[in-house]
Amino acid sequence: SAVISQKPSRDICQRGTSLTIQCQVDSQVTMMFWYRQQPGQSLTLIATANQGSEATYESGFVIDKFPISRPNLTFSTLTVSNMSPEDSSIYLCSVVDRGRDEQYFGPGTRLTVT
Amino acid sequence: GQSLEQPSEVTAVEGAIVQINCTYQTSGFYGLSWYQQHDGGAPTFLSYNGLDGLEETGRFSSFLSRSDSYGYLLLQELQMKDSASYFCAVAGFQKLVFGTGTRLLVSP
Repeated sequence: SAVISQKPSRDICQRGTSLTIQCQVDSQVTMMFWYRQQPGQSLTLIATANQGSEATYESGFVIDKFPISRPNLTFSTLTVSNMSPEDSSIYLCSVVDRGRDEQYFGPGTRLTVT
Repeated sequence: GQSLEQPSEVTAVEGAIVQINCTYQTSGFYGLSWYQQHDGGAPTFLSYNGLDGLEETGRFSSFLSRSDSYGYLLLQELQMKDSASYFCAVAGFQKLVFGTGTRLLVSP
């Protein structure tokens, strides 16, 4: 199984600012995923990050708001730009083990925007 | 579009059996997964059904019927620690789409 760490674990930010969330995996993976989970809600896929190419964004999410970097096979960052209180949520990164059809999640970053 | 529907909440007592249903409408279907998430924690993988039928893993079993676009998670011999949210998720091409989630409350 993959071990995933995220930084920061939580943050409180002012509206209009940006926050970059880091995701580190203990093994090389082709695809990394970024999800958002609002309190009491399900997980919504923001984008898929592939090494060496631009991220693929889901409907409702755009690169200007959520720029993603994927510099190598073990690391990715998600930036939440020009934040508003509606961006308050938990952000999770994830990787998939295709051989076991399992997806592993990081511990999440709890973001509060005031 | 894609949609996965689950009951919002299920309650049961310790030792009982509970079934959480999931109906889905999606394209590019490869299989149905189930994840458990405790409050404040990350989702953790429980099971995957790529083919019709029942998969058993200890106290947990999962079932899939592709023709009915339906699956369920069966939890037996419930324990207090099973109180959590449970999500079905459709494995599509290169991504996972999650259901609405079911909150399971287990009481003594």
